[in-house]
Amino acid sequence: GDSVTQMEGPVTLSEEAFLTINCTYTATGYPSLFWYVQYPGEGLQLLLKATKADDKGSNKGFEATYRKETTSFHLEKGSVQVSDSAVYFCALSDTGTASKLTFGTGTRLQVTL
Amino acid sequence: GAVVSQHPSRVICKSGTSVKIECRSLDFQATTMFWYRQFPKKSLMLMATSNEGSKATYEQGVEKDKFLINHASLTLSTLTVTSAHPEDSSFYICSASRDRNQPQHFGDGTRLSIL
Repeated sequence: GDSVTQMEGPVTLSEEAFLTINCTYTATGYPSLFWYVQYPGEGLQLLLKATKADDKGSNKGFEATYRKETTSFHLEKGSVQVSDSAVYFCALSDTGTASKLTFGTGTRLQVTL
Repeated sequence: GAVVSQHPSRVICKSGTSVKIECRSLDFQATTMFWYRQFPKKSLMLMATSNEGSKATYEQGVEKDKFLINHASLTLSTLTVTSAHPEDSSFYICSASRDRNQPQHFGDGTRLSIL
């Protein structure tokens, strides 16, 4: 079956540091890939997505590129801020955006001054 | 836009009681709603998918008689945990989407604790 593997957290960084959160997936066919973010006390929000190989999703300074050859969708940001502290979930969907999502375990990011 | 409200945010109840959790799309009509369960330090596990006006589709291993899902309108879905036991304690999250080609919008979750 489909699965998503994320690097374990927590990840602790100083403000303005470079962020990478690794995500790899296993799926049949050609899934769509997503990053969701959950800020403290809030629900999940879609951060970015990519629907086909070599697509790059980007939002709020975060980027992730759909790499079919390595089955990866790593999340990156060049300079993190304290306000980026949250839990980040990588996810995939086999068919369509609103169909069944398979999530990774989530990675907690803590950014300090 | 695309706000999903989940209520209650936290509930504590005695073993054997039934608990109802509501999921509402406040500013859009949701043809599809999803219910997830999240264990500590684990990923979200899809429990069931509900389409307005039809029976929910449950994932393998989820007891449909235990977790009753109703999606009677385009803005409301409910999850009822029947005869709850301590092992049902968890974080339950709903999401809603306008249709298959639109993203899922998530509620803030409900922490259920069964004593």
